[in-house]
Amino acid sequence: GEDVEQSLFLSVREGDSSVINCTYTDSSSTYLYWYKQEPGAGLQLLTYIFSNMDMKQDQRLTVLLNKKDKHLSLRIADTQTGDSAIYFCAETPREDSSYKLIFGSGTRLLVRP
Amino acid sequence: DAGVTQSPTHLIKTRGQQVTLRCSPKSGHDTVSWYQQALGQGPQFIFQYYEEEERQRGNFPDRFSGHQFPNYSSELNVNALLLGDSALYLCASSYSGTRYTFGSGTRLTVV
Repeated sequence: GEDVEQSLFLSVREGDSSVINCTYTDSSSTYLYWYKQEPGAGLQLLTYIFSNMDMKQDQRLTVLLNKKDKHLSLRIADTQTGDSAIYFCAETPREDSSYKLIFGSGTRLLVRP
Repeated sequence: DAGVTQSPTHLIKTRGQQVTLRCSPKSGHDTVSWYQQALGQGPQFIFQYYEEEERQRGNFPDRFSGHQFPNYSSELNVNALLLGDSALYLCASSYSGTRYTFGSGTRLTVV
C-alpha cells in the first residue's frame, strides 16, 4: 500500500543539528522530496534526491537515502528558530507511471532559543 | 518571476453548494496537480492535468472535477460540498513531472 511514515514531533535547541526521518513504501520511487510548510502557508520544496544517490548536501541541508531499508532522512545543521515548521517527505512511486506525490503526515520541528 | 498563484485565498461555503478554485502555474510549467490537505495531515493527491487532459486521478469521488486551459492554468471544481471537504487545497505545477512548485493554497471552509 501507499504509506509514507514520519515521526510527529521533534524539538531541538537553537544551534544544534536536527534529523528528521521518513520511511517510504515504493523501492522503485525515482525521486524523494523534502518540503517545508510554515503556518498558514503552502509547501516549499527544500531539496530532493534521485534514487540512484545515497547522499545530497545543499548548504545546511543533508539528505541521506538508504534504499535497502526505504529510509530517508533530512539533517539540518545549525538549526535556527526560523526553521520551526512542519517538514514533509514525499515520494513519487513509479507504478503505473504515476505522477503523484505521496506525502507523509509531517514532522513538526520546534526550535527552542 | 511569479510562482504558483492560487485564488481565492480563503472561502466559506454552505453544505450542498459548489465551489471553483483557480490556479496559475509557474512560468514555463505545463503540468498542474491538485492536492487536498486536511488539518494535521499531509497533502492527498486529487488529480493532475497535462495537455488539457486529466492524466492521473487519486481516490476522490466524481464530485471533484477539474479543467486545464490552453495557457496551462487550471480550475478545481467541487460539487455538493460536504463538511468533510473543509481543507487547504494546494495546486502544484511542474515542467517535467518532477520538482513540483506549490502555491500557498486556498483554505475552504464548509459550514
